[in-house]
Amino acid sequence: QSALTQTPSASGSPGQSVTISCTGTSSDIGGYESVSWYQQHPGRAPKLIIHDVNKRPSGVPDRFSASKSGNTASLTVSGLQAADEADYYCSSYAGSDTVIFGGGTILTVL
Amino acid sequence: QVQLVESGGGVVQSGSSLRLSCVDSGFTFGTYGMHWVRQAPGKGLEWVALIWHDGSKTNYAESVRGRVTISRDTSKKTLFLQMDSLRVDDTAVYYCTREGGDTSHMDVWGKGTTVIVS
Repeated sequence: QSALTQTPSASGSPGQSVTISCTGTSSDIGGYESVSWYQQHPGRAPKLIIHDVNKRPSGVPDRFSASKSGNTASLTVSGLQAADEADYYCSSYAGSDTVIFGGGTILTVL
Repeated sequence: QVQLVESGGGVVQSGSSLRLSCVDSGFTFGTYGMHWVRQAPGKGLEWVALIWHDGSKTNYAESVRGRVTISRDTSKKTLFLQMDSLRVDDTAVYYCTREGGDTSHMDVWGKGTTVIVS
């Protein structure tokens, strides 16, 4: 099973908004309301920032929002801050008790 | 405070075995599904295996199926990953994660344990 497809890199200036996309198939993203997004800073474990397509866990700023359309999910980071510079991974349930991740997007704050 | 702590990583030769452990603290271990996720050096995240909250069902990524076994000991609040016939491409940081709900999102992550296969 191939990984979900993410744009390798994205960037924006402080205060701007940036959107990261994640493309799968009807067997994963398109078939379930089970998209998650994770933020990973260098040398750290990933952190859940979005689950169930667009739900934010407690403590995650509302600058992080997400959506899904068909086989593509998107994460938008608004009001970019230096601390948002990190790797971002999407993930989806893919049926039959399997999970699939995207290849990751490096977000740079200029 | 909810916390997962992995151990058992190390440097091993190709073809050998290793058993990873993950101890939970701060939550009702037996009510959550658990996963292992790995990350090769400089690479992205790769899902490895999952086990249901009661241990009744497991599943594996194709890349490790037949060589890896996930299990849990609820009385000891510990998750395991038995890895056999290790290959060089199994080299990675292995994360233990908790499944936050019934949609396979992972809301608690350990800091990871490093496996190097030479």
